[in-house]
Amino acid sequence: NAGVMQNPRHLVRRRGQEARLRCSPMKGHSHVYWYRQLPEEGLKFMVYLQKENIIDESGMPKERFSAEFPKEGPSILRIQQVVRGDSAAYFCASSPGTSPTRNSPLHFGNGTRLTVT
Amino acid sequence: GQNIDQPTEMTATEGAIVQINCTYQTSGFNGLFWYQQHAGEAPTFLSYNVLDGLEEKGRFSSFLSRSKGYSYLLLKELQMKDSASYLCAGGLNTGFQKLVFGTGTRLLVSP
Repeated sequence: NAGVMQNPRHLVRRRGQEARLRCSPMKGHSHVYWYRQLPEEGLKFMVYLQKENIIDESGMPKERFSAEFPKEGPSILRIQQVVRGDSAAYFCASSPGTSPTRNSPLHFGNGTRLTVT
Repeated sequence: GQNIDQPTEMTATEGAIVQINCTYQTSGFNGLFWYQQHAGEAPTFLSYNVLDGLEEKGRFSSFLSRSKGYSYLLLKELQMKDSASYLCAGGLNTGFQKLVFGTGTRLLVSP
């Protein structure tokens, strides 16, 4: 059973370009989360999505960032006009249900490391 | 607000026992998670405490005191492969898995 798959693992963009990060949840999981990890900081919640719905995007910067989880295909985190401060590791996680339990915790992918030059 | 505090770094010797503490402000959390993260890899789930007390799972145990806003992760019979960051995270009472993470404790296990 494949885990949460994220690609690319590493992404380099120049300032002003767009970054698209992809995440395929674990098989059978319909709940997707995006977290960002800045250097020397903890993981920070960005957005929670179910198929075709954004449930909570309270952690997303107001501008340039968007996320989707279409009916078919992976979840996409899109960053437009990237700036140096966007350099971070972006982790996707999925779960089979909504409430956290010992048997259905978040499963994280290996992350996409975005570097903005 | 919801703050999670844990030590930045710890060192220990192979075969020893180490306790990693985590304190948090008590408002709004519904359960406490511990994750392990090796450098450049995904955080992997270790434990989840929602009630007070000790949960044991093999070499790893986790403790929670909700009234004190305190948790710890206990690692026994340390192995070199346990060198990693250990992330403490509070689950917000939102009905879904919105977690607030600490900055993590880097554990270095030496021979």
